[in-house]
Amino acid sequence: AAGVIQSPRHLIKEKRETATLKCYPIPRHDTVYWYQQGPGQDPQFLISFYEKMQSDKGSIPDRFSAQQFSDYHSELNMSSLELGDSALYFCASSLGSGGPNEQFFGPGTRLTVL
Amino acid sequence: AQSVTQLGSHVSVSEGALVLLRCNYSSSVPPYLFWYVQYPNQGLQLLLKYTTGATLVKGINGFEAEFKKSETSFHLTKPSAHMSDAAEYFCAVSVGRGLRGKLTFGTGTRLTIIP
Repeated sequence: AAGVIQSPRHLIKEKRETATLKCYPIPRHDTVYWYQQGPGQDPQFLISFYEKMQSDKGSIPDRFSAQQFSDYHSELNMSSLELGDSALYFCASSLGSGGPNEQFFGPGTRLTVL
Repeated sequence: AQSVTQLGSHVSVSEGALVLLRCNYSSSVPPYLFWYVQYPNQGLQLLLKYTTGATLVKGINGFEAEFKKSETSFHLTKPSAHMSDAAEYFCAVSVGRGLRGKLTFGTGTRLTIIP
């Protein structure tokens, strides 16, 4: 079965640079979530989209922005990168209808800021 | 706001022994509860979930969990540990707006299996 695809899997950036992370949800899933997992930490919710509209917002810095496109893929844009942004970034997708959502997670993008 | 507390950041059990990972939640409305497993350098995989109905939930790989409202708990168990169970386990709660709720995770429990 198709899973959530994230690209790139690994990314190395310098401080103050920008990064773009991409997420391709499971086909027919209409909701995308972004989570950030720091080293040894639990995943923290950043932002979510339903049908291309932002549906919820968590502890996402103002330097970050995200959107969901017409084909339902999503991109997380990160600017003015800081050392503390080094983390594993997960995307998850779900089908918004049919009961309590089950989120399917991608393999993550490991961002290292030097 | 909802929250999750996982007691014990590290748990070690012998192969073949009972696995018990503890999770307590806090929520002002009826929660949806989840257990996820994370293997090294991999994403999160759903083990099981409680939404409504039967309070004893069976998941993959022989795991099960029981929702106890009176104790606000959702502990994860497995009768007999296997070496392949070694991983990080996260309990999560969602109370979501409508059907699209964000997950709030506990701090995780690293399970080590002793041969």
